[in-house]
Amino acid sequence: DIVLTQSPASLAVSLGQRATISCKASQSVDYDGDSYMNWYQQKPGQPPKLLIYAASNLKSGIPARFSGSGSGTDFTLNIHPVEEEDAATYYCQKSNEDPYTFGGGTKLEIK
Amino acid sequence: EVQLQQSGAELVRPGALVKLSCKASGFNIKDYYLHWVKQRPEEGLEWIGWIDPKNDNIIYEPKFQDKASITADTSSNTAYLQLSSLTSEDTAVYYCAREVRRVMDCWGQGTSVTVSS
Repeated sequence: DIVLTQSPASLAVSLGQRATISCKASQSVDYDGDSYMNWYQQKPGQPPKLLIYAASNLKSGIPARFSGSGSGTDFTLNIHPVEEEDAATYYCQKSNEDPYTFGGGTKLEIK
Repeated sequence: EVQLQQSGAELVRPGALVKLSCKASGFNIKDYYLHWVKQRPEEGLEWIGWIDPKNDNIIYEPKFQDKASITADTSSNTAYLQLSSLTSEDTAVYYCAREVRRVMDCWGQGTSVTVSS
């Protein structure tokens, strides 16, 4: 099975600066021309919320300061400029095939 | 409004089984795959599996094959997750989620399961 490795496990970013989170897959998650990598945000006591799908597509209603990029095995979530409300844990998830594995998560703190 | 409403918190004895529900509103579960995800306290997300309520096709993450049983009742628009032979390792919040084109776009609020004697 494909393993997703997120880095860093945690990071602290100053208000207004950029947060960059990496997700590396042990094998390609590309299929039929698309990259099946999704990003979710989870705040304490809440379910995960979809931010980005298919590597770089912003879900409707999600602020444009969130962006995703990458293909194959290397993916990145960027948040710029970071706001107070972005303090949360972020997960990548592959969905090219079963199992729909999640990365280990990255906890973002706002300084 | 598209919603998934999950059943309430459970306190169960070790060795028992528990059945969690996930009732959909605003859409017909026959048109979507429904997934279940586990989250242990202070830990990350673990994918359990999915069901296609249209034909009852089910896929499990292998580590949950003997632990979890996913079912669906299209007449009540509800999916279920049954967990058996419970141990402390099963203490977690369990989420259901709807899949749209390989993306989990709508999540239930989660059900907390505590296994304790």
